[in-house]
Amino acid sequence: GDSVTQMEGPVTLSEEAFLTINCTYTATGYPSLFWYVQYPGEGLQLLLKATKADDKGSNKGFEATYRKETTSFHLEKGSVQVSDSAVYFCALSVSSNTGKLIFGQGTTLQVKP
Amino acid sequence: NAGVTQTPKFRILKIGQSMTLQCTQDMNHNYMYWYRQDPGMGLKLIYYSVGAGITDKGEVPNGYNVSRSTTEDFPLRLELAAPSQTSVYFCASNKGDRVKGEQYFGPGTRLTVT
Repeated sequence: GDSVTQMEGPVTLSEEAFLTINCTYTATGYPSLFWYVQYPGEGLQLLLKATKADDKGSNKGFEATYRKETTSFHLEKGSVQVSDSAVYFCALSVSSNTGKLIFGQGTTLQVKP
Repeated sequence: NAGVTQTPKFRILKIGQSMTLQCTQDMNHNYMYWYRQDPGMGLKLIYYSVGAGITDKGEVPNGYNVSRSTTEDFPLRLELAAPSQTSVYFCASNKGDRVKGEQYFGPGTRLTVT
């Protein structure tokens, strides 16, 4: 079945370090891919998305490229800030009839000053 | 727009009690969803709806019920609460057009069953 696998956390970085959070997926059909972010005590917010192969989603300095050949959608940021500390979820959508999302287990990022 | 709103924010239930978690969206979205999030885990889909009068089970529907009488509201009912239902519950909505669009989430309801 369709699934999403993320790297396990927590990930702890110093401010201004480079961030990569790995995400790979298994899906039939042609999924759309998403990264959501969850700040402490809040709901999930869409961070970025890509709807077809080779698309690059970007927002707030974060980027991810939809790689069909490696079934991956890794999240990157060149220089993290303390305010980026949150839980990051990779997700995929394969059904335009229901809009259902399949989520990875989430990766906690902690950025230290 | 307020987006997706959920009430209450927190609730403590005793075993065997029942309650309804409210969810309302003002974006005229057709699709709505209920998830639960357990500590250190991802989100699991409980129920979803693709329009008023239409609901369907997700991955973990046991112990829950839903209804969708209007486009705006999608309440989740817990009957006979059990400790295993201690979790954070999120409601979400999606425009539901033919583009694979993103879901918009409410702030969550933290439920404890003791």
